[in-house]
Amino acid sequence: QVQLVESGGGVVQPGRSLRLSCAASGFSFSVYGMHWVRQAPGKGLEWVAVISYDGSNKYYVDSVKGRFTISRDNSRTTVYLQMNSLRTEDTAVYYCAKDFNPGATVTNLDYWGQGTLVTVSS
Amino acid sequence: SYVVTQPPSVSVAPGQTARITCGGYNIGGTSVHWYQQRPGQAPVLVVYDDSDRPSGIPERLSGSNSGNTATLTISRVEAGDEADYYCQVWDSRSDHVVFGGGTKLTVL
Repeated sequence: QVQLVESGGGVVQPGRSLRLSCAASGFSFSVYGMHWVRQAPGKGLEWVAVISYDGSNKYYVDSVKGRFTISRDNSRTTVYLQMNSLRTEDTAVYYCAKDFNPGATVTNLDYWGQGTLVTVSS
Repeated sequence: SYVVTQPPSVSVAPGQTARITCGGYNIGGTSVHWYQQRPGQAPVLVVYDDSDRPSGIPERLSGSNSGNTATLTISRVEAGDEADYYCQVWDSRSDHVVFGGGTKLTVL
């Protein structure tokens, strides 16, 4: 069965960096796009970034462009989110999620991990 | 980028029908997907491509999409349906995934 396990969250000071990982199993990782979605405490879902199946295309929400980088290692079936210059407003649970369709088209997110909490605070 | 709007809350008695809307300009021209999120849990896809259900999702949950409004309909509402529901689209003009603000379904 599909499993997505996030790790790397924690407490970090504003301006510092953190790297999240999402280990995937149970499906052909290398043919699916992968997403990061976050949810601030008590708030709704906010999409953060997507990476295509081969890593050639990456898209970001405007609020993280230039600060966050999504990447993947198909040999390790893992997707990453490098977060630099963190701000207090980046505090959230970060979920990784698998795209529904194989290939390059972004559709919907059919499997989600349980999330990892990132707290940005001095 | 594209904006989709949901009502913050919907309340319904057990056994009745709940309708949760997702509004956006000409949203009927794109595919809409719906997620259920119970407290403390990750979101779960419940309807995709306007009206299809993933395996394991009961037929009581259904979707429609036309004009400027997409709708998630939950028939014969049960206590276990109490959750937050989010609609989602892919905005191909901005290359962004867009979520609605979410609707809290309360079962009275």
